[in-house]
Amino acid sequence: AQSVTQPDIHITVSEGASLELRCNYSYGATPYLFWYVQSPGQGLQLLLKYFSGDTLVQGIKGFEAEFKRSQSSFNLRKPSVHWSDAAEYFCAVGAGGTSYGKLTFGQGTILTVHP
Amino acid sequence: GEEVAQTPKHLVRGEGQKAKLYCAPIKGHSYVFWYQQVLKNEFKFLISFQNENVFDETGMPKERFSAKCLPNSPCSLEIQATKLEDSAVYFCASSQGPSTGGHRETQYFGPGTRLLVL
Repeated sequence: AQSVTQPDIHITVSEGASLELRCNYSYGATPYLFWYVQSPGQGLQLLLKYFSGDTLVQGIKGFEAEFKRSQSSFNLRKPSVHWSDAAEYFCAVGAGGTSYGKLTFGQGTILTVHP
Repeated sequence: GEEVAQTPKHLVRGEGQKAKLYCAPIKGHSYVFWYQQVLKNEFKFLISFQNENVFDETGMPKERFSAKCLPNSPCSLEIQATKLEDSAVYFCASSQGPSTGGHRETQYFGPGTRLLVL
């Protein structure tokens, strides 16, 4: 069964500082990987996704993530955080075949940005 | 439409009452998914549809939960005899479907329906 672990429940950074949110997954085959962001009271917005090919993927709002198969990781990064990035971030892994589409989410990481 | 639409935004029910939630997927998307988010951060997959057919219902508590996707109608998720533990945000997502390379597989989420059972 697939699983996702986000080791950091809460991260605080200063505005302008760099950010890295960790995500580790467990999946038997090549995974489909996603990062979503959820602002308070809002739905999930897709930041970026990895299916195959280049292991460094670019997303919206200046975010990027790197797929590292050897470490079973898909960490999210941003070089300079803005106050509007404060939200909760979810890493998810998707399956194919008969389990197509069933996303498994991590527990989420709450990002607080200090001015 | 260009976005997944969910109604209502908020729903309050007394324990034992019925709750019905609706979801209109993005036009052209043939897959619909329902997820339950409890305790603000834990997502649980409930059920998925391929057009009007159930594709995967392994996450559904079958005793009280049911779902449908009928042609030319919004999809629905119904909870009979709600319980306190059903209080959650229910998200609907849609995607185009499986493909080589996976790009059609991205799920786009609606804003959710917040269900409160008192």
